[in-house]
Parts: sequence; C-alpha cells; structure tokens
Amino acid sequence: GQNIDQPTEMTATEGAIVQINCTYQTSGFNGLFWYQQHAGEAPTFLSYNVLDGLEEKGRFSSFLSRSKGYSYLLLKELQMKDSASYLCAFKNSGGYQKVTFGTGTKLQVIP
Amino acid sequence: EAQVTQNPRYLITVTGKKLTVTCSQNMNHEYMSWYRQDPGLGLRQIYYSMNVEVTDKGDVPEGYKVSRKEKRNFPLILESPSPNQTSLYFCASSLMNTGELFFGEGSRLTVL
Repeated sequence: GQNIDQPTEMTATEGAIVQINCTYQTSGFNGLFWYQQHAGEAPTFLSYNVLDGLEEKGRFSSFLSRSKGYSYLLLKELQMKDSASYLCAFKNSGGYQKVTFGTGTKLQVIP
Repeated sequence: EAQVTQNPRYLITVTGKKLTVTCSQNMNHEYMSWYRQDPGLGLRQIYYSMNVEVTDKGDVPEGYKVSRKEKRNFPLILESPSPNQTSLYFCASSLMNTGELFFGEGSRLTVL
C-alpha cells in the first residue's frame, strides 16, 4: 500500500533550526514534494526532490533518501511567519500525476 | 497573473441541494485535480483530469462528479450533498511533466 508518516505537531524557537521528518511507503515513486500551508490558506510549493541528497533553497533545505523512504525539510533562522503546516507528498511513477499527501506537520514558532 | 480561481469561496447549503464549485486556471496546464481537506486526514484526492474529456477517480470520489470540457475549467459537482461532504475543497493544476501543483484558494463548504 501507500503511506506517509510525519509528526503531527512541532514547536521551535524564533531564530533556531528545525527539521521536519517524513517517511513514505509506495510501490512506485517518482519524487517527493514539500508544501507550506498557512492556516486557512492554500498549500504553496516549497521543494521537489527526485534524486537522493540535499537541495538548498535559501533558508529552506530538503533531503531525500530513496532507499530509506525518508525525507526531511530543514528550516533555518526560523521566523514567526514560518508558523504553518508543512505537507510532505510523493508523486507516483506511472502514466499519471497522482500525488499522495501526508497529514502535515503543524509547526509553531515561539519567541 | 498565473492563478487557479475557485468559486464560491464559502458556501452553506442544505442536504440534497445540488451545487457546483467552479475551478479555472490560466496557465494552460494539462492536469487538474480536486482535493478535500479534513482535520487529521490531510489532502485527499477526489477526481483528476489529465486533459480535456479525460477524467478519473481519485481516492474519495463517492458523491462527486466532474467534467473537463475545456482545458482551463474543471468544475466539481455535488448532485445531492450530504453533511459528510462538509469540508475544505481545493482545486489544483500542473503541467504534466513537472507535477508541481498550483492550488486555488479553497472553497469551504458546509452542508446542513
């Protein structure tokens, strides 16, 4: 079957670094997404990893290990505006664009 | 401005009264999809479309219909809404070769 696991909630301090983990299981894998979703708003794209390794984009970095079915999102120099839910999602291989989402990790940044 | 537009944004209706949530994108995307988001369950796919006149069921299609007569539009139809369809609905689109989804602002539907 297909499954994604990520922590339900996390709390971190402004200015600190936080790592949000995601593990997944699927028979056909074609890449892993991270989306940010502020309360009551639409998800917005953060990153897409297809190959193993770390990809850095400003304060945000995303890591993928295909062999371990594992990814993480690293947020540096946390700001209050980073308080949001972070959704991990994988894209299936095959002929169509199915993207399966996890339930999201709600991050609260405190002063 | 590149965007996905959903209407209505908020709707309260009663059981059994047919309704349609419209979705339109101006990015010439082939792929469009509807999701519902419920607390503790995340985003679940209802229906998707890979091109005009090509639609297929997602994970939770029961009680919903869709159509794709034009590339830019992908309406979601609830023929006979029930209270368990109370949810936050998102339309999304993408190019077929990237998969990066662009989401509409969401439609919060309450069925009494």
